[in-house]
Amino acid sequence: AQSVAQPEDQVNVAEGNPLTVKCTYSVSGNPYLFWYVQYPNRGLQFLLKYITGDNLVKGSYGFEAEFNKSQTSFHLKKPSALVSDSALYFCAVRGRNQGGKLIFGQGTELSVKP
Amino acid sequence: ETGVTQSPTHLIKTRGQQVTLRCSSQSGHNTVSWYQQALGQGPQFIFQYYREEENGRGNFPPRFSGLQFPNYSSELNVNALELDDSALYLCASSPGQGTDTQYFGPGTRLTVL
Repeated sequence: AQSVAQPEDQVNVAEGNPLTVKCTYSVSGNPYLFWYVQYPNRGLQFLLKYITGDNLVKGSYGFEAEFNKSQTSFHLKKPSALVSDSALYFCAVRGRNQGGKLIFGQGTELSVKP
Repeated sequence: ETGVTQSPTHLIKTRGQQVTLRCSSQSGHNTVSWYQQALGQGPQFIFQYYREEENGRGNFPPRFSGLQFPNYSSELNVNALELDDSALYLCASSPGQGTDTQYFGPGTRLTVL
């Protein structure tokens, strides 16, 4: 069965420090990988995606993610966290033969303290 | 903002009733997907419409049905509402299928009493 795991329910970092939000997946073949962010009572905002090519993907608001095929991971990173980055982050995967179906992880709450 | 709009914002229904949720896709997008997000969970795929045809369905019962119109806007209909249907319903549009990114609307919060 295809699945996405975000092993940490919550990540706490100090403003200015680097942040990492972890994601691993289980999908047959070479999937498409996405990160979205959700602010309270809002829909999901697209951050970045990996389709093919360079394993390091750069996205919106200074975020980047590294695709690691051998570890089936797609961790989200940012070199210097901002208080305004505090939100709920979702990793999602789409199999190459799965049409438009995105499979989401359960989400990781990121809290950045001043 | 993505340009994807949903209505209504909030809705309260009682068990057994029927509900229709609406979504207007971003300009130039011909594909609409619907997701259900229960409290504290990630979104779950309900179905997708591409050029007015259903193009994939998740593990939801037939009382969840949809429609896409020639202007690519879409409706999600849920019959015989159950308490567990209480959730945030998200619509996402994309320019097409394949690698295209899905852009989400703000959602409709449905409460079933």
